[in-house]
Amino acid sequence: TQLLEQSPQFLSIQEGENLTVYCNSSSVFSSLQWYRQEPGEGPVLLVTVVTGGEVKKLKRLTFQFGDARKDSSLHITAAQPGDTGLYLCAGVANNDMRFGAGTRLTVKP
Amino acid sequence: SAVISQKPSRDICQRGTSLTIQCQVDSQVTMMFWYRQQPGQSLTLIATANQGSEATYESGFVIDKFPISRPNLTFSTLTVSNMSPEDSSIYLCSAGDGQGAVKLFFGSGTQLSVL
Repeated sequence: TQLLEQSPQFLSIQEGENLTVYCNSSSVFSSLQWYRQEPGEGPVLLVTVVTGGEVKKLKRLTFQFGDARKDSSLHITAAQPGDTGLYLCAGVANNDMRFGAGTRLTVKP
Repeated sequence: SAVISQKPSRDICQRGTSLTIQCQVDSQVTMMFWYRQQPGQSLTLIATANQGSEATYESGFVIDKFPISRPNLTFSTLTVSNMSPEDSSIYLCSAGDGQGAVKLFFGSGTQLSVL
């Protein structure tokens, strides 16, 4: 069972600041996904990355998959209060998906 | 994408009783999963609900405690049996189409409190 480590576990920043969340593993994944979850709701898929070195942008969010497909990062530019939530990475290997522990982000106005 | 309806959204139950959670998907999906999530924490996979056969359980979860049904490609249930306060958690249903890179869609969860 592959282990996904996310850092930081908690992050509290002011509106307008930039931040990066990391997802690391010793295992190689066929794909990696990022989800955001708000209180009282299920996780919502933000992006899927498949190719080593791949970079995807979703408005102010930039996702990168490591060259070796073992790690990923999520960068948010000019964070807004609406970005507040639990960010989860999930790695897929051999049709088995595992979630990281999550990063709880709070963006203060 | 798939829209998943899960019910009940929350319940408060007495120790020793059982609760069945229902999950309805608006389209046929290959894979359905049940997760447990402690408040503010990540997701732990309970089992994969297989259509027409017995569910596949993860380590630490057993069929007697968490019986699962999946009678067709759009519906599944999870029962939490003989509940104890340690079962208090959020239970999430998810579905994936298995086409290419796996993508999961989640229900809004069932907040279970056991007294």
